[in-house]
Order: sequence, then structure tokens, then C-alpha cells
Amino acid sequence: EAGVAQSPRYKIIEKRQSVAFWCNPISGHATLYWYQQILGQGPKLLIQFQNNGVVDDSQLPKDRFSAERLKGVDSTLKIQPAKLEDSAVYLCAPLGTGYVETQYFGPGTRLLVL
Amino acid sequence: ELKVEQNPLFLSMQEGKNYTIYCNYSTTSDRLYWYRQDPGKSLESLFVLLSNGAVKQEGRLMASLDTKARLSTLHITAAVHDLSATYFCAVDIRFRGATNKLIFGTGTLLAVQP
Repeated sequence: EAGVAQSPRYKIIEKRQSVAFWCNPISGHATLYWYQQILGQGPKLLIQFQNNGVVDDSQLPKDRFSAERLKGVDSTLKIQPAKLEDSAVYLCAPLGTGYVETQYFGPGTRLLVL
Repeated sequence: ELKVEQNPLFLSMQEGKNYTIYCNYSTTSDRLYWYRQDPGKSLESLFVLLSNGAVKQEGRLMASLDTKARLSTLHITAAVHDLSATYFCAVDIRFRGATNKLIFGTGTLLAVQP
């Protein structure tokens, strides 16, 4: 199973402020995803990376969200400026490389926008 | 628009009873995942179903896939309190020829009462 660290674990900001999240998977996972999970809903894909490149960012609100992946390992997700509706858990999920490819989710960052 | 619907959304059941959670989806897919999420925690992979007729079992949980009916089931046998969690199905849809773009269902909150 992939090891994934995310930071910070919790963040409270006011609307219109900026925030950044970090995802640190163990190396060797070419594909990595960011999801947004609003309370009471299933995760929604924001962006998919293959190494350093973006495969799919069709659901990323690009006017305020941005993401990058550094050297095909670590990744950051930024929101600038934040809105109230951005309050959610942001999950990072590298794709495992076993016989059956499975996404393994990190602990997530809980964001509250006031 | 692709839809992944689970029912029931909430299930309260007594220990020792059996029940089934249903996952219906609206697009062609031959790969489906089930995840478990405990309150305040991240998602844990339970099963991956790779083809029509696939059945997987782990302890008191058994998952199956009918790709023709676009239906997956998660059957719970002789429920115990430790199974209380939210269960998500996730359909793998192909994007630009690549697999492993997951669309998650609405989730089923399972509460097992003593």
C-alpha cells in the first residue's frame, strides 16, 4: 500500500485568503490525484497528474485553484482566493502499482473557510 | 451526465443481520471499486471488481459486479458493530484512453446497532 503524507491536517482561513496543501507520497507512483470531499458527499476529482504532467484538470476551478507536481513525486494544491464553498477535505491519492491499480488515499487536509 | 447512485443512503441495522448496498451507474465500465470511510478518516480500499460477474469476499463483506446491468452490490453478512462506516462505490471511466479516473457514488452510511 502506498504511504502518503499530507500537510497541514487542518486549516481555518477567512474567505478571500489563500491556502496551500502539500502531498508527499513515497516515490515510485507516477500517477497522483487530488480530490475534494465536501461533507456528506463522495470525493470529487480535481486533478490527475502523470509524473509532472497534468492528465485531467477538467473539474478544477482554474480561476482560483492551481496545482503542480514537483519532480514527479510531491504535489501542491493552492486556492487563491478561497470561498466559503471551498470548505471540504482535500485528499491526495497516488495510484498504486500492484497487479490491480488502486488509488490509495492520504489522510487529507480539512479546510474550513469562514 | 455520468451518475453513480448508491442506495440506501443511510442504513441502520442490527448486529447479526444481513443486508445489501446497491451501486448503480450510468456509463459503460468494467472496473469498480469499493471503499470504506470511518468518521473523520480517509478512504480505505476494500475491493476492486475487474469484470462482469466478478465476486470478491473479505470477512463479512462480499462485493459483486454486473456490468450489463451497470450494478454492483456490497453484501453484509451477520453485521457487527465494527462494520459501522460510510461505504463508497467508485466507477472507473476511461479518459483519453487511460483508466483509473474514478467517479464516486453518493455513499452509504452504515450504522450497526447492538
